Amino acid sequence: NAGVTQTPKFRVLKTGQSMTLLCAQDMNHEYMYWYRQDPGMGLRLIHYSVGEGTTAKGEVPDGYNVSRLKKQNFLLGLESAAPSQTSVYFCASRAPRAGLAYEQYFGPGTRLTVT
Amino acid sequence: QKEVEQDPGPLSVPEGAIVSLNCTYSNSAFQYFMWYRQYSRKGPELLMYTYSSGNKEDGRFTAQVDKSSKYISLFIRDSQPSDSATYLCAMSGTGANSKLTFGKGITLSVRP
Repeated sequence: NAGVTQTPKFRVLKTGQSMTLLCAQDMNHEYMYWYRQDPGMGLRLIHYSVGEGTTAKGEVPDGYNVSRLKKQNFLLGLESAAPSQTSVYFCASRAPRAGLAYEQYFGPGTRLTVT
Repeated sequence: QKEVEQDPGPLSVPEGAIVSLNCTYSNSAFQYFMWYRQYSRKGPELLMYTYSSGNKEDGRFTAQVDKSSKYISLFIRDSQPSDSATYLCAMSGTGANSKLTFGKGITLSVRP
């Protein structure tokens, strides 16, 4: 099993450009998450999904959109990138058992720089 | 006040030292307490978890939870250079849709 994979690994964008980050998991997990990690800020939840076709806002959703058209994929979109969105983005997934939020499996991350 | 506070570090210790990493929290609904380890340029991976109060030991690692004080700790005995990483505490409630709330993480360096 590949677990959780993220595409691309690195990207440099100019302000105003758009892009989509792809997360894929092969563990048949229902729940998927997008986080951003910034120095001194820890991991912050952007959006999440509890199943195919559903999405919900997390702690820092502004400037991002997501889609979960297939159970195994969770896409994170930046419509008009801003320098404040320079960060490392992590995707995670887990099975939907109650009380087991800790069993989140993380991808390797995407390093995004917006100039 | 942030829901989860973690000592910012960084922390540097000699090989063989005992390391103590700590987090405090304010949300009484938290019931699951986790420690994730993140190596440089990698994603976090679950190291240990504890449900409610008490201790849990796994090899050189011990996790402690004191719910009365809203305080959790991770102890690393006989620390090794391979333990050099960022350690993040995380917490959640018990509902099916519970989400993780993370501390900011502390970077540990173990000097040979």
